[in-house]
Amino acid sequence: ILNVEQSPQSLHVQEGDSTNFTCSFPSSNFYALHWYRWETAKSPEALFVMTLNGDEKKKGRISATLNTKEGYSYLYIKGSQPEDSATYLCAFYFGNEKLTFGTGTRLTIIP
Amino acid sequence: DGGITQSPKYLFRKEGQNVTLSCEQNLNHDAMYWYRQDPGQGLRLIYYSQIVNDFQKGDIAEGYSVSREKKESFPLTVTSAQKNPTAFYLCASSPRPQETQYFGPGTRLLVL
Repeated sequence: ILNVEQSPQSLHVQEGDSTNFTCSFPSSNFYALHWYRWETAKSPEALFVMTLNGDEKKKGRISATLNTKEGYSYLYIKGSQPEDSATYLCAFYFGNEKLTFGTGTRLTIIP
Repeated sequence: DGGITQSPKYLFRKEGQNVTLSCEQNLNHDAMYWYRQDPGQGLRLIYYSQIVNDFQKGDIAEGYSVSREKKESFPLTVTSAQKNPTAFYLCASSPRPQETQYFGPGTRLLVL
């Protein structure tokens, strides 16, 4: 069984502060790493799909980096806003027709 | 509007009853997936399908069944053999397995 680990499990951040969290995955047989944002009462929405070692992707105040050799990805949020409150999921694809999801990091922004 | 829909939003199951959750997509995606989410846990894969008339078991397929008779539709049946069915069920689709998955709004299943 391949495990995808996310840390921390939950996080409280003051509005305006920046934050980051981690997704760890097996470094062998890497194909792709996905990040999703899941807001309460909504469906998960894709943020990034990353495939290359050293890849960096950015969407507004959110960015992500990927290290496939050591098996981790960081998600960064700059200047947190209340609308950033959500659960952030990462998912690993290693070529077996399905994604393996982590348990998520629940982010709460404190106004 | 292109998207993926699930119905119903809430579903109540009596003991010994089979219930079917609907999932429809008009995104012309080949791949479709069913996930289960329990409190404090991530998304666990129940079944997936890469093409019409073909599907595979995921990590927790016991007590569930699916069909894929049409590209747009991937219904999930929760059978009476599933002893702990209370959960939130999400359906998703993607063009290819490694590409972005698009999720429906989910169905919450409760046992009476």
